[in-house]
Amino acid sequence: GQNIDQPTEMTATEGAIVQINCTYQTSGFNGLFWYQQHAGEAPTFLSYNVLDGLEEKGRFSSFLSRSKGYSYLLLKELQMKDSASYLCACKREAGSYQLTFGKGTKLSVIP
Amino acid sequence: DAGITQSPRYKITETGRQVTLMCHQTWSHSYMFWYRQDLGHGLRLIYYSAAADITDKGEVPDGYVVSRSKTENFPLTLESATRSQTSVYFCASSDLEWEQFFGPGTRLTVL
Repeated sequence: GQNIDQPTEMTATEGAIVQINCTYQTSGFNGLFWYQQHAGEAPTFLSYNVLDGLEEKGRFSSFLSRSKGYSYLLLKELQMKDSASYLCACKREAGSYQLTFGKGTKLSVIP
Repeated sequence: DAGITQSPRYKITETGRQVTLMCHQTWSHSYMFWYRQDLGHGLRLIYYSAAADITDKGEVPDGYVVSRSKTENFPLTLESATRSQTSVYFCASSDLEWEQFFGPGTRLTVL
């Protein structure tokens, strides 16, 4: 099976940096995803890591350590519009399109 | 308009009734997915389809039926709705292993 853990809620200040952690224990692993979901809306893709290391995309970066079963999403220069839930998801094997999602981290950005 | 749509967006039904949720995508993506999202559980995969006439069970398939006679449509049927099926249902489609595009969701209430 797959077990994915991430904090339930976080609060951060506008303009600051926040790191959202995700740990996973899976019977197979071939990639970790981050999705953003604003309240009442559909999830949207943010990033995908399959190899160890940091992937940077504008204000957002995602890190993966396969040996530690650990990932984080780093959000810089926080804006009010970044208030949303951030979903961590794992893909079990190459060629598979199935994702298993964590419960999500609700991020509140305050002035 | 191109994209992925779901209908209805909101549905209230009664226990024991049959309900069908529709999903339509215009990208000709091979893969389509149905998820449900509940507080405390995150997104859970119900069924997915790799192509027309090919479907497979996900994590929580009991009580649901799917079909895919055309590439662009992937309806989800609750044959006899139960209160535990009250949820937000998201359809998604993909042609890449690392990105799924989600529809706007259907909020279903079973009384």
